[in-house]
Amino acid sequence: DQQVKQNSPSLSVQEGRISILNCDYTNSMFDYFLWYKKYPAEGPTFLISISSIKDKNEDGRFTVFLNKSAKHLSLHIVPSQPGDSAVYFCAARGGGTASKLTFGTGTRLQVTL
Amino acid sequence: ETGVTQTPRHLVMGMTNKKSLKCEQHLGHNAMYWYKQSAKKPLELMFVYNFKEQTENNSVPSRFSPECPNSSHLFLHLHTLQPEDSALYLCASSQVWDPAYEQYFGPGTRLTVT
Repeated sequence: DQQVKQNSPSLSVQEGRISILNCDYTNSMFDYFLWYKKYPAEGPTFLISISSIKDKNEDGRFTVFLNKSAKHLSLHIVPSQPGDSAVYFCAARGGGTASKLTFGTGTRLQVTL
Repeated sequence: ETGVTQTPRHLVMGMTNKKSLKCEQHLGHNAMYWYKQSAKKPLELMFVYNFKEQTENNSVPSRFSPECPNSSHLFLHLHTLQPEDSALYLCASSQVWDPAYEQYFGPGTRLTVT
């Protein structure tokens, strides 16, 4: 039973436009959420995070929104750049195991020229 | 060498072989992790070491045996694996044993069990 779901396996966006990557979760005990980005042949790298007590966190072109009532978070990238093409993983902490991250399956973002 | 390194990058082994994966972090972190990523599945945490002590074993079969001789090195010893163990094995480290802290990942070892 997947507690963190990224229902879109892939997304294609034009350069300069907004990319919106979505993530849904089922466990209301999750208290911290993170996004990681992965390029081919490399390990994931941390991108941005948000605590469950907030509803928005912004870092440059990247903004994460959290809707606790809907158990939904989204990552906005504005403007999208070709170098953003990667696989993006949503992850959540908590849910009864505070020391563990639960990951989604990832969304592959392709930013086209 | 900086960051987190893993060797080998690719490994093919038979079900009766014994092999080891190595991870080294050059970041001065205190926590180290092994993850497994199977095709079309999420990353799954396998083991956590904090200050060289194992703190998490996420119900991993005994054919996977971790070893952490010091805070910079982590090994995953493999023996009598099954074909379904074929996956990408990722090592990570973090300053503090808390998933809210950024984890730094190595590039992974692509394991194929024949």
